[in-house]
Amino acid sequence: DVKVTQSSRYLVKRTGEKVFLECVQDMDHENMFWYRQDPGLGLRLIYFSYDVKMKEKGDIPEGYSVSREKKERFSLILESASTNQTSMYLCASSSVGTEEQYFGPGTRLTVT
Amino acid sequence: GQSLEQPSEVTAVEGAIVQINCTYQTSGFYGLSWYQQHDGGAPTFLSYNALDGLEETGRFSSFLSRSDSYGYLLLQELQMKDSASYFCAVRGSGYSTLTFGKGTMLLVSP
Repeated sequence: DVKVTQSSRYLVKRTGEKVFLECVQDMDHENMFWYRQDPGLGLRLIYFSYDVKMKEKGDIPEGYSVSREKKERFSLILESASTNQTSMYLCASSSVGTEEQYFGPGTRLTVT
Repeated sequence: GQSLEQPSEVTAVEGAIVQINCTYQTSGFYGLSWYQQHDGGAPTFLSYNALDGLEETGRFSSFLSRSDSYGYLLLQELQMKDSASYFCAVRGSGYSTLTFGKGTMLLVSP
């Protein structure tokens, strides 16, 4: 069964902290994505990666960075967390040549 | 840039048929997808249309008109479990990235 897992379901961090969100997929997918989801705004793409060590900015990359050292793992990094980064963060993966993205359960991050 | 418009909320009763519309403005277009998300859950893929016409998958169908920059998701024989948010999403480039609409909350009542 296809699976995308995220390191935490809930996370509370303080302003200025460095935050790591981890995502792992077990489907050998080439593509991985990070989105944030806010009420009334839908899902917005932060970064994506189409191969190991490759990364591309999405629509809202400011304040974030990513790392993909292994095919199955895609990390989202908040270098210095701010309150406006309080959100639900969703990771997804997909295979080249297919349209379906598989989503993880999400991490609800609160920055105080 | 890319923008998608869909209604924020739709209500219907069990057994009915409901249509959720999506209009889009994009600089490039490869196809339109639909995702379902139950409250507290992850989005799950429902359908993808790259060409004009209707695609049917069980009780759900999805339609696309590229010339009108318009699509819809049709849900038939509604069930209570269909209460969820539904998102349309455009693939606008050769990358597999998606731009999502803001979502339509479907409320199915008995």
